[in-house]
Amino acid sequence: ELQVVESGGGLVQPGESLRLSCAASRFSFSSYAMSWVRQAPGKGLEWVSYISGTGGTIYYSDSARGRFTISRDNSKNMLYLQMNSLRVEDTALYYCAQLTSLGAWGQGTLVTVSS
Amino acid sequence: QSVLTQPPSVSGAPGQRVTISCTGSSSNIGAGYDVYWYQQLPGTAPKLLIYASSARPSGVPDRFSGSKSGTSASLAITGLQAEDEADYYCQSFDSSLTGYVFGTGTGVTVL
Repeated sequence: ELQVVESGGGLVQPGESLRLSCAASRFSFSSYAMSWVRQAPGKGLEWVSYISGTGGTIYYSDSARGRFTISRDNSKNMLYLQMNSLRVEDTALYYCAQLTSLGAWGQGTLVTVSS
Repeated sequence: QSVLTQPPSVSGAPGQRVTISCTGSSSNIGAGYDVYWYQQLPGTAPKLLIYASSARPSGVPDRFSGSKSGTSASLAITGLQAEDEADYYCQSFDSSLTGYVFGTGTGVTVL
């Protein structure tokens, strides 16, 4: 069964940085685009960022652009999200997800931004 | 603010059929981009129900079906069961935003 496992969440203060990681297994990771999706407490799903299989195409949501950086290491089957200048409104459960027919989602890693 | 609009809630009795609409625009669903549907049970990660607007991954019951027409898409659940109580989200790509978009989400209640 496909597997993705997120890590790196935690409690940080506004303005600080955090790096999320996602370990993928049991599928050909380099062949598939990946995304980060977040869900604030009690709210709906919000797409954050996308990276193609080769890493050559990257998209960001308006809320992430300029502050977050998505990357991947296909040799390690890893996806990353570097988050800088974090804001209170970035508080959410962050999912690593494959938004196509594979449909692989992790269980999420919680990011809390609070002073 | 999401560009894909869903009704906040739908409900039905066990065994009934319910549908969830997902209304988009000419820059997403209307542009021909595929629609995906996810089921999120309380406290769990979303699960893919429908991909490419109407295809079901293996393991998803055929009670779930998807369709697309114009700038909208729909998810139908037939033979509603108690275990179908969950939040449901549609998702597509938007060329104006150059990114993916999720619907506002719909909570399904089994009466």
